[in-house]
Amino acid sequence: EAQVTQNPRYLITVTGKKLTVTCSQNMNHEYMSWYRQDPGLGLRQIYYSMNVEVTDKGDVPEGYKVSRKEKRNFPLILESPSPNQTSLYFCASSLNPSGGAYEQFFGPGTRLTVL
Amino acid sequence: EDKVVQSPLSLVVHEGDTVTLNCSYEVTNFRSLLWYKQEKKAPTFLFMLTSSGIEKKSGRLSSILDKKELFSILNITATQTGDSAVYLCARTMDSNYQLIWGAGTKLIIKP
Repeated sequence: EAQVTQNPRYLITVTGKKLTVTCSQNMNHEYMSWYRQDPGLGLRQIYYSMNVEVTDKGDVPEGYKVSRKEKRNFPLILESPSPNQTSLYFCASSLNPSGGAYEQFFGPGTRLTVL
Repeated sequence: EDKVVQSPLSLVVHEGDTVTLNCSYEVTNFRSLLWYKQEKKAPTFLFMLTSSGIEKKSGRLSSILDKKELFSILNITATQTGDSAVYLCARTMDSNYQLIWGAGTKLIIKP
């Protein structure tokens, strides 16, 4: 089944404790992206990647890191989480948008709480 | 400023009504405008619009883009309770592949 998976789905952590949220897709998509969603603010793009070893900042990259060492995986790293990073996080992927392919497939979301 | 604004923020209608959701933006040069539906989970793709004036249609849903007046609308006819969701629009940037999203319209369909 074609899908985007994220782990963990739920996470409660404390300020400053490094964490990684994994994202994997099995559709051979070039484009992958991380979003956070907060009430009243809609989706905000954190980072995106056009292909392996190519990453770019979105709207709200501060406090986050990403890497794209393999095409299928795009982990989101919070080196020192803070309470303002409490949010619902989505990973998404699509074919290469340079060819006009902007239909993104979203993972199920990760609800992160930082105490 | 580079924003996408959706209106109304929320809307409650009765089953069978027709609704029109709005998405406006502030720049003239971009590749595509996208519509997504979000129920109690991840967003799912509805439409991608690239050309002004050309309607995209899927069943009871349709959408059109007006690049001159800088807006797009999403129409839903003969609404059903299953149409209850948050509808999101996003536009692409012209210079890169970043997406700028609106805050969404929360649509509630009453039986």
